[in-house]
Amino acid sequence: NFILTQPHSVSESPGKTVTISCTGSSGSIANNYVQWYQQRPGSAPTTIIFEHDQRPSGVPDRFSGSTDRSSNSASLTISGLQAEDEADYYCQSYNSSNVVFGGGTKLTVL
Amino acid sequence: EVQLLESGGGSVQPGGSLRLSCTASGFSFDRYAMSWVRQRPGKGLEWVSAIIASGRRSQYIDAVKGRFTISRDNSQNTLFLQMDSLRAEDTAVYFCAKDTYSMTWSYFDSWGRGTLVTVS
Repeated sequence: NFILTQPHSVSESPGKTVTISCTGSSGSIANNYVQWYQQRPGSAPTTIIFEHDQRPSGVPDRFSGSTDRSSNSASLTISGLQAEDEADYYCQSYNSSNVVFGGGTKLTVL
Repeated sequence: EVQLLESGGGSVQPGGSLRLSCTASGFSFDRYAMSWVRQRPGKGLEWVSAIIASGRRSQYIDAVKGRFTISRDNSQNTLFLQMDSLRAEDTAVYFCAKDTYSMTWSYFDSWGRGTLVTVS
């Protein structure tokens, strides 16, 4: 099974930009789509990025996703940080056998 | 609007059983694969099981194989998770999630609010 590794936590000030990484353990992370989910405390996850870099309707364009084949990683970038962005963020991918989530990154807006 | 409503959670002793249900509305349930995803207290998301739209194929993580059974009733727009031989480590909030594809599991565009299972 492949594994997705995320930093445990990141923090940044309001108005700044933060990037959360998601590194694949094997194969190419770009071979299957990577998604990102936001989960606020006590709530269900919501999809903020799908298919590497697509935003569902209603998700602000402050959120963007990308992949880097050279480092076998995906990234979630949040610009113009707001207090409401404070949450846990999970990357996710899949193959024919299973679905895998990263361990999650806690974003603190200072 | 897509809605997923889980039910059936509760407290059970180790070795016991529970049956979770997820009632779906707002979309053509029989056209999408569905999954169960759990979250242990204070921990991250963990995919548990999935079933394709027709119900003819399913998958499980190793930790629950032989103990959990996923199924669906497309006539009732309902997803199930039969959980037997429960262990303390199965304690978690269980979320129902709608996949974007029908013939395989991939990623999720809608989630339920979850139901808490406590094994103690």
